[in-house]
Amino acid sequence: QVQLMQSGAEVEKPGASVKVSCKASGYTFTGYYLHWVRQAPGQGLEWLGWINPNTGGTNYAEKFQGRVTMTGDTSINTAFMELSWLRYDDTAVYYCARELTGAMTFDFWGQGTLVTVSS
Amino acid sequence: QSALTQPPSASGSPGQSVTISCTGTSSDVGGYNYVSWYQQHPGKAPKLMIYDVSKRPSGVPDRFSGSKSGNTASLTVSGLQAEDEADYYCNSYAGSNNYVFGTGTKVTVL
Repeated sequence: QVQLMQSGAEVEKPGASVKVSCKASGYTFTGYYLHWVRQAPGQGLEWLGWINPNTGGTNYAEKFQGRVTMTGDTSINTAFMELSWLRYDDTAVYYCARELTGAMTFDFWGQGTLVTVSS
Repeated sequence: QSALTQPPSASGSPGQSVTISCTGTSSDVGGYNYVSWYQQHPGKAPKLMIYDVSKRPSGVPDRFSGSKSGNTASLTVSGLQAEDEADYYCNSYAGSNNYVFGTGTKVTVL
């Protein structure tokens, strides 16, 4: 069965960076784009961008360009999202989600990783 | 890219129907048939309920249906059940490999 298992909660200081991982299983890792979505406490969902694990190609939401980096390691079927220059309002649950090929939708989601930015 | 507009809340009694709107622009909702709907229970990850405007993934009850007219998409939940109480988010492809979510709607089963 398809599973996306994310790394544990993180606490970081303003100005620091955080790297969240998303390990895929139950399907061919290189066959599907992976997206990253975040949700601040009590707020809605916000799309950050995607990575094509096969080619390493990426596309980031304009708001996060210059601060976010998405990478993948095909040897361990794991995608990573690194957000730098953290601000207090980056406190959120970060999700990875698999794109259903050709449907521009996200059919499987990770369990989420809480990133807290606190001094 | 601005978030798609959804009503903050909607409600209905068990067995009734509730419809949630999702309003965007011709650059997102109106420009593509790539609207999805997600259900999210508190503390849980979102779950895909509808994609490509009106398609249901395997396992999603046929009480859930989607449609679109112009720049507005809609999700209808018929025969409301207690477990349908959740937050619902729409999402649309917005061109140039970008995506945008709706503001979210809290559905309450009275």
